[in-house]
Amino acid sequence: DTGVSQDPRHKITKRGQNVTFRCDPISEHNRLYWYRQTLGQGPEFLTYFQNEAQLEKSRLLSDRFSAERPKGSFSTLEIQRTEQGDSAMYLCASNRDRVLTGANVLTFGAGSRLTVL
Amino acid sequence: AQTVTQSQPEMSVQEAETVTLSCTYDTSESDYYLFWYKQPPSRQMILVIRQEAYKQQNATENRFSVNFQKAAKSFSLKISDSQLGDAAMYFCAYRRGPQGGSEKLVFGKGTKLTVNP
Repeated sequence: DTGVSQDPRHKITKRGQNVTFRCDPISEHNRLYWYRQTLGQGPEFLTYFQNEAQLEKSRLLSDRFSAERPKGSFSTLEIQRTEQGDSAMYLCASNRDRVLTGANVLTFGAGSRLTVL
Repeated sequence: AQTVTQSQPEMSVQEAETVTLSCTYDTSESDYYLFWYKQPPSRQMILVIRQEAYKQQNATENRFSVNFQKAAKSFSLKISDSQLGDAAMYFCAYRRGPQGGSEKLVFGKGTKLTVNP
């Protein structure tokens, strides 16, 4: 198992363009999370999936943001009409349902850094 | 809403010495989990230690231990025998318990730890 994989690692785009990030969780993990981390801040929760169902969304996830996990495996996070304020590190994490593992510790990926010019 | 406060933006320690990182949190709930995560430069975030609020005993993991003061809503991390590899950003995080209805982690802003040889 190679851990949580994120692609691309770094994306530079111009304001107004659409970008998509992909996350491949650990294979036996049925939960997948997206967080956003801006410079000098801790990560902020965006959304999470259990299998293919999106169960929780933050108010930070504006209508320009959409996340999917169509087959309950990998997930994509799309940002439409990017703004300079979207520049951040987008972190993906995964774990198994807490019923199975208790305190459900997250395993994080290395992140996808977005720079909007 | 729950908040997590890390009042020390930066800390430094001599190799082999002990350092304590501070964290306070605000919640009205009685059942929750607390975590310390480590984020080395350009690498993914990894769990250092976790504490269940219902447990009175402080968690320990090798050189890492916590001082959990539930009434004071304080959760400090002590690193003993500091090593150069301990240099990283350290984030304190809070999550509601199983009945809390949310899976999101709430992070503090982090403390940058420097280890001097």
